[in-house]
Amino acid sequence: EADIYQTPRYLVIGTGKKITLECSQTMGHDKMYWYQQDPGMELHLIHYSYGVNSTEKGDLSSESTVSRIRTEHFPLTLESARPSHTSQYLCASSASGGANEQYFGPGTRLTVT
Amino acid sequence: SQKIEQNSEALNIQEGKTATLTCNYTNYSPAYLQWYRQDPGRGPVFLLLIRENEKEKRKERLKVTFDTTLKQSLFHITASQPADSATYLCVLGNFNKFYFGSGTKLNVKP
Repeated sequence: EADIYQTPRYLVIGTGKKITLECSQTMGHDKMYWYQQDPGMELHLIHYSYGVNSTEKGDLSSESTVSRIRTEHFPLTLESARPSHTSQYLCASSASGGANEQYFGPGTRLTVT
Repeated sequence: SQKIEQNSEALNIQEGKTATLTCNYTNYSPAYLQWYRQDPGRGPVFLLLIRENEKEKRKERLKVTFDTTLKQSLFHITASQPADSATYLCVLGNFNKFYFGSGTKLNVKP
């Protein structure tokens, strides 16, 4: 079954640690996205990719980095986590084309202590 | 810069009534508009797409209208049910650029 997966679902980690949030999709979508969302607040696009070896920063500045070595995989990395990084991180993908709907993963709830 | 306005106050309605949510925008000419549903702690789920040359789209109990003159989209849920309670997001897009609204929370009371 085509789907989009995120791991871990929940992560509590100490300040200064390096973390990688995983995102994989089995739909063969070229476009993938990372969003940050605080509880009750709007989604903010922090990274996107339109294909392998293509990554761009989104509208919200983020200290995280991303890579796209394989079509199905779009991990997000924080080199040194800080309490200000505490948030929910949502990954999404969409097919090529202007108006294709985005399919979202279940999200990773990150808490940095 | 472009601006998307969705009512930040929650919409409370009685089960069985029609819920109407509004998405207004300025300084933008979208080629399409989408509506998503988001439940607490989960990612949004796509519901409907309407393009700039379309006035209305329907899907089961859902209906969306798109008025490019008024720069407004209305999202209707007929015969609403408590299970429809969620936050509804509108998204405006043009080519490879898109913008999410902040969403309106809908509460359907039994």
